[in-house]
Formats: sequence, C-alpha cells, structure tokens
Amino acid sequence: KQEVTQIPAALSVPEGENLVLNCSFTDSAIYNLQWFRQDPGKGLTSLLLIQSSQREQTSGRLNASLDKSSGRSTLYIAASQPGDSATYLCAVRALGKTSYDKVIFGPGTSLSVIP
Amino acid sequence: DAGVIQSPRHEVTEMGQEVTLRCKPISGHDYLFWYRQTMMRGLELLIYFNNNVPIDDSGMPEDRFSAKMPNASFSTLKIQPSEPRDSAVYFCASSPSTQYNEQFFGPGTRLTVL
Repeated sequence: KQEVTQIPAALSVPEGENLVLNCSFTDSAIYNLQWFRQDPGKGLTSLLLIQSSQREQTSGRLNASLDKSSGRSTLYIAASQPGDSATYLCAVRALGKTSYDKVIFGPGTSLSVIP
Repeated sequence: DAGVIQSPRHEVTEMGQEVTLRCKPISGHDYLFWYRQTMMRGLELLIYFNNNVPIDDSGMPEDRFSAKMPNASFSTLKIQPSEPRDSAVYFCASSPSTQYNEQFFGPGTRLTVL
C-alpha cells in the first residue's frame, strides 16, 4: 500500500533563507509526483509536476527533484518570501491497471516565512 | 477559463439532511476528481470520473455518499443522510488527458454538519 509522508510537519524560517521540503513514498511504482501549495481556506494550486522518468522540474524560485529508487522528492525554495507562507503538499499517482489509479497525498508541510 | 468551479462555498446543515455539492470542471478536461480534506485524515480521494464514467469509487466512505456526472461540464456529490463526521472541506479537481495529468483544484466547499 502506497503511503506518503512529509517532513517536517511545520517549518518557520526568516525571509531570504533557502529551504527544502521533503516528501517520501513507500512504493516506487509511481506515474508521477506533484507538488501543491494550499493557502488557508483555499484550494490547492499546482506548483510542479514531475513524471517518473524525470529527475527534476524548475519553476522560478522553485525546484523539485525526484528519486524514485529511494522514494523521495524534495521541493527547494530559494530566497524565501513572506508570500511563500502556506501549506505545501506532495501527491503521488501510483501505477496501476487503470490510467489514473490512486492519487495519494502527503499530510503537508506548513511553512511560515517571517519578515 | 474560470478554472474549476464549486458551489456552494460553505454549507451548514443539520444531521440527517441531504447535502448536494456541485462542481463544474475546466472545459475540455476528461477527468474529474472528488476529494475530502480533514485535519485528521488529510486529503483523500473519494471518486473519480473519466469521460463522465465513474472509474474508481473505492474511496467513497459509505453508501450515504453518491456522485454523478451527467455530462462533461457538471458533477454532483451527494450525502444522504448527512452526519457530523462528514464535516470537512470537499474539493473537486479536473485534469486533461492521461498524457498530461496535472490536476487543477476548485476552491472547495466547506461543509459543517451540526
């Protein structure tokens, strides 16, 4: 059974710091991994999608890596800003007989960037 | 495109009442997902549709929950009868074809069952 965990559960950093959020999954048979951002009381905004054949994806100050063999993904945020404060979730789409099979979310990391 | 649209945004009801949540996916997207988010269990996939057909409803908690997608632009999630433990935020998401399967989420419906 695929399980997704995220460490740390919460993180507080001063503005300007670079930081890394971690996502681990137990079954390497995944189709892809997606990082989301969720602001309080809001829906999820897609940040980066990494296909299983890819090692990393970059968008602006964000860089996500994927190591399928070790069951890990990291989200690197450079030069953090107060506007980056949110909960960050990772989700894996497990391989299966159907096109989509299960999409399993991690519990999220709550990030606070202090001005 | 306006993105995924959900209504209502907030719903407060009494135990035993029927609740209907609505979703309009992004035009042209083949897949539609219903999720539930709670503090205890995080984000859980309830059911998803492909071309209006339910593919996997194994995440639906019990028979009180049902979902329909009568056409490509509309889906409902119904709870009958509702219970306090159903209180959660319900999200709808849509996605284009399997070759490009990024999911786009709606703003959610916050359901409170008293």
